[in-house]
Amino acid sequence: EADIYQTPRYLVIGTGKKITLECSQTMGHDKMYWYQQDPGMELHLIHYSYGVNSTEKGDLSSESTVSRIRTEHFPLTLESARPSHTSQYLCASRETGQETQYFGPGTRLLVL
Amino acid sequence: DQQVKQNSPSLSVQEGRISILNCDYTNSMFDYFLWYKKYPAEGPTFLISISSIKDKNEDGRFTVFLNKSAKHLSLHIVPSQPGDSAVYFCAASAKDAGGTSYGKLTFGQGTILTVHP
Repeated sequence: EADIYQTPRYLVIGTGKKITLECSQTMGHDKMYWYQQDPGMELHLIHYSYGVNSTEKGDLSSESTVSRIRTEHFPLTLESARPSHTSQYLCASRETGQETQYFGPGTRLLVL
Repeated sequence: DQQVKQNSPSLSVQEGRISILNCDYTNSMFDYFLWYKKYPAEGPTFLISISSIKDKNEDGRFTVFLNKSAKHLSLHIVPSQPGDSAVYFCAASAKDAGGTSYGKLTFGQGTILTVHP
């Protein structure tokens, strides 16, 4: 099982602030993913990366951006947070050739 | 258009009995299926998976069944324990025509399982 970490776990922030959600994994996985989940709903893929300097948008449109400068690190940034961004953000990674994705603990974001 | 559906929002089961969680899909390109367990405010934990070349996979108390013709899969938990109470998500992934996995998971809405002592 992958060791994958997300910080912060909880974040309450005012409208208009810039935020960065951190995600790191120690397994050397090339593939990393960001999902967004609202309560009682399915997880939606918002960004993914197949390796360093590779980033793609997911199936759900998001105003956030991501970067992948190092294999182990896949941060997500919101330049100007809005109440509509309130959600849980989940980071995942997988090994090339394997289908199973392993998830971090998530960040619960509340934008006031 | 929801490609993976879990039509039962919740399921309540007595401890020791069998829990059966169901999942239907519409995309015939899906060829790998996974079940995750999730507690509130935590990330999903991988439980068990199955490839489309199989119709059953078993791991301890967990068994997943796949019926490709019906585009249906189910997760059986026997015996159910109170610690199994959580939200269960099924997920599916697809390969392109060349056999390369897209690696993107499509999730169902989840089923809340409650196991009563």
